[in-house]
Amino acid sequence: GAVVSQHPSRVICKSGTSVKIECRSLDFQATTMFWYRQFPKQSLMLMATSNEGSKATYEQGVEKDKFLINHASLTLSTLTVTSAHPEDSSFYICSARVSSGWGHGEQFFGPGTRLTVL
Amino acid sequence: GESVGLHLPTLSVQEGDNSIINCAYSNSASDYFIWYKQESGKGPQFIIDIRSNMDKRQGQRVTVLLNKTVKHLSLQIAATQPGDSAVYFCAETYGGATNKLIFGTGTLLAVQP
Repeated sequence: GAVVSQHPSRVICKSGTSVKIECRSLDFQATTMFWYRQFPKQSLMLMATSNEGSKATYEQGVEKDKFLINHASLTLSTLTVTSAHPEDSSFYICSARVSSGWGHGEQFFGPGTRLTVL
Repeated sequence: GESVGLHLPTLSVQEGDNSIINCAYSNSASDYFIWYKQESGKGPQFIIDIRSNMDKRQGQRVTVLLNKTVKHLSLQIAATQPGDSAVYFCAETYGGATNKLIFGTGTLLAVQP
């Protein structure tokens, strides 16, 4: 089946530093990847849609200069949390959609990255 | 704005019983719905999906029912097992360039042995 990986799975950083999270589709190509944020006991909130070779589309209220997204290839998208603060601590999850032209294109989710900002 | 909500935040069932998790959606334009299972500390796992031209779809031990009249979606799990304990989310989407998923608030299913 389609597998999506994320790295790192867990990261702890100091306030003010930047953290990069990688999302990879291991056995398929993904023109589109999505980044979600999930706070404890809450649902997944879409942050941005990442399209290979173009700029990401951010959801309302998500700062594009703070959450930098790069989708350089059909198998890799990165999310960089710049100048992280404790309120950025969260579970970040990516998903990848198969580039097969499906009508809705099932999204395959990564295992998530737990970010803790001290 | 658009939202997908659930009636019950927590559902506790006995092992072997059937479970029913409900979801209400507000966007009448949504035409594709998915149920996900999320275990603690993990990403969502696809369970079953249904398109708006259907009102029922069955999988292994799971059934999804869609009532477009009242914009209601449900997930039925037969013979619930301890391994079914997790948070269940419904998600909706509609035809469009991005096919964004909108997630519901989630229901915690606790299976008692």
